[in-house]
Amino acid sequence: DAGITQSPRYKITETGRQVTLMCHQTWSHSYMFWYRQDLGHGLRLIYYSAAADITDKGEVPDGYVVSRSKTENFPLTLESATRSQTSVYFCASSESLTIQETQYFGPGTRLLVL
Amino acid sequence: GQNIDQPTEMTATEGAIVQINCTYQTSGFNGLFWYQQHAGEAPTFLSYNVLDGLEEKGRFSSFLSRSKGYSYLLLKELQMKDSASYLCAVRDWGYGGSQGNLIFGKGTKLSVKP
Repeated sequence: DAGITQSPRYKITETGRQVTLMCHQTWSHSYMFWYRQDLGHGLRLIYYSAAADITDKGEVPDGYVVSRSKTENFPLTLESATRSQTSVYFCASSESLTIQETQYFGPGTRLLVL
Repeated sequence: GQNIDQPTEMTATEGAIVQINCTYQTSGFNGLFWYQQHAGEAPTFLSYNVLDGLEEKGRFSSFLSRSKGYSYLLLKELQMKDSASYLCAVRDWGYGGSQGNLIFGKGTKLSVKP
């Protein structure tokens, strides 16, 4: 039972490069989320998706692109990486958005942009 | 606006009781969650409150007062493994999604000492 996985777990890249972070869940959850976690800011929502082919912006979407062609996958792309995008990125999923439904988080991807 | 406040750090002794407070201001409160996050790991769900009062789950309890915009997480019989960050998150109708996405506080780092 893999649950929710992210790859790569660690990534070092250079400014201006395109980077894609992968997220895969095996629960067939409808909702998926991408967060970034930075010291002094806590978890901030980048993008979320309610179902395949349905995505919407969160609090900090600039510089990121998402897609969801299949329910189980939700990749996050940094089109042209900047140093300010150095962060820990967490993917999460939930079965629904009923008020008591919690989110389940993947292990995170630690991204360093040089 | 939306704002969630938690103490940055707390220290407690093994076997003791500790209370971690969370105050919030949101446009459309729709439930409050507590997550635990060990260093270098993903957040994991601890508790959920939507009505006023106390919810107890073993050594962990969470309290909510909607009129005061206040919650606390109570940890009893502290163990060394409870050393972690504790994240308060509020589901807010005005933050996107059909029931509202989660807004996270910056987290409280708890250190348990022998």
